[in-house]
Amino acid sequence: EAGVVQSPRYKIIEKKQPVAFWCNPISGHNTLYWYRQNLGQGPELLIRYENEEAVDDSQLPKDRFSAERLKGVDSTLKIQPAELGDSAVYLCASSLAWGQLNEKLFFGSGTQLSVL
Amino acid sequence: AQKVTQAQTEISVVEKEDVTLDCVYETRDTTYYLFWYKQPPSGELVFLIRRNSFDEQNEISGRYSWNFQKSTSSFNFTITASQVVDSAVYFCALSEDSGGSNYKLTFGKGTLLTVNP
Repeated sequence: EAGVVQSPRYKIIEKKQPVAFWCNPISGHNTLYWYRQNLGQGPELLIRYENEEAVDDSQLPKDRFSAERLKGVDSTLKIQPAELGDSAVYLCASSLAWGQLNEKLFFGSGTQLSVL
Repeated sequence: AQKVTQAQTEISVVEKEDVTLDCVYETRDTTYYLFWYKQPPSGELVFLIRRNSFDEQNEISGRYSWNFQKSTSSFNFTITASQVVDSAVYFCALSEDSGGSNYKLTFGKGTLLTVNP
């Protein structure tokens, strides 16, 4: 069974350029998450989807970040324009359950973004 | 104050040594869950264990064991007879109710474990 698939694996862009990350969750997983992981830190939630609905986007910097999950399957996270401080690893995760306190998350390998 | 504190930033051991990774958490909730995830060099975090706040029984899975103590708000992870393949960053995480239908999963900063041959 395929795990969570993310692309690209690496992305290098200049500041002020746009960038997009793509994620395909595990088949049948209703909940999808985007996390950002800064160097030497733990992942921090950006947005959580239940099917196609964004149920928690309180940590998403909405002035430059946007996300969508059309048809409740794969998802795209976009940054426009990118800033130097956006350099990080962007992780996608999925889980089977809906909004459960004990949800076990399955993570992709992430996209490492470098903004020059 | 950090919700999840992993005081050990890096640990280096020699193969076959036992090693304990510390995790201290902070919450006002009575119902919560604690997790450990492993992040190997490939990047994806891999689930290891979850524990609810009402179950303080220690758990053992092969070379891995976990010690949950509510009295000290700690959830420590021990690897017995460490192997090179155990080299990774290990994250402790706390899941608690953040209100409404939301819950919040907070990760610690992680501990980089290096097991040398």
